[in-house]
Amino acid sequence: ELKVEQNPLFLSMQEGKNYTIYCNYSTTSDRLYWYRQDPGKSLESLFVLLSNGAVKQEGRLMASLDTKARLSTLHITAAVHDLSATYFCAVDEASGSRLTFGEGTQLTVNP
Amino acid sequence: DTAVSQTPKYLVTQMGNDKSIKCEQNLGHDTMYWYKQDSKKFLKIMFSYNNKELIINETVPNRFSPKSPDKAHLNLHINSLELGDSAVYFCASSQRYEQFFGPGTRLTVL
Repeated sequence: ELKVEQNPLFLSMQEGKNYTIYCNYSTTSDRLYWYRQDPGKSLESLFVLLSNGAVKQEGRLMASLDTKARLSTLHITAAVHDLSATYFCAVDEASGSRLTFGEGTQLTVNP
Repeated sequence: DTAVSQTPKYLVTQMGNDKSIKCEQNLGHDTMYWYKQDSKKFLKIMFSYNNKELIINETVPNRFSPKSPDKAHLNLHINSLELGDSAVYFCASSQRYEQFFGPGTRLTVL
């Protein structure tokens, strides 16, 4: 059974600081996704990583995928309050279409 | 021009009742899903349909029955609701990889 683990689960950081969220998974997959969820809202797709070594950046967020290490990272640069949300990684199993989610990382950016 | 829509947004009901949640997507996607998000925000897939055919059926009580009348719609019917069914239910759709989620339905069973 595929397991997806994120750490940290809770992250409180100051504006302007950098930090990285880690997503480890237990079986072979080369498709990994990052989503953002604001309180009481839906999941918003941030990044789709479809191959080993994939790196994508959008604003202050950058995601990467290392399929050999079964690890994805979400790096936050110079955090701002608007980035406060819960971030989920999700892995698509080889059989396709079945997303297994990590537990989520609740990020709070303090002024 | 919402991509994935769900109704209702909130559903409060008594134990033992039967209720339905509806989902529609206007993205032209072939595959639709139901996910459950519990009180700890953990998300788990329940069902997936591809072109009206059930392709994923996780270990979900058979009180939950999905129905896909056409590839743009996937409804979820729940019989004999229990307290533990209280959660947020998300519908999603995809064409190849990326899944797009609906706004969610918050179900509260009293």
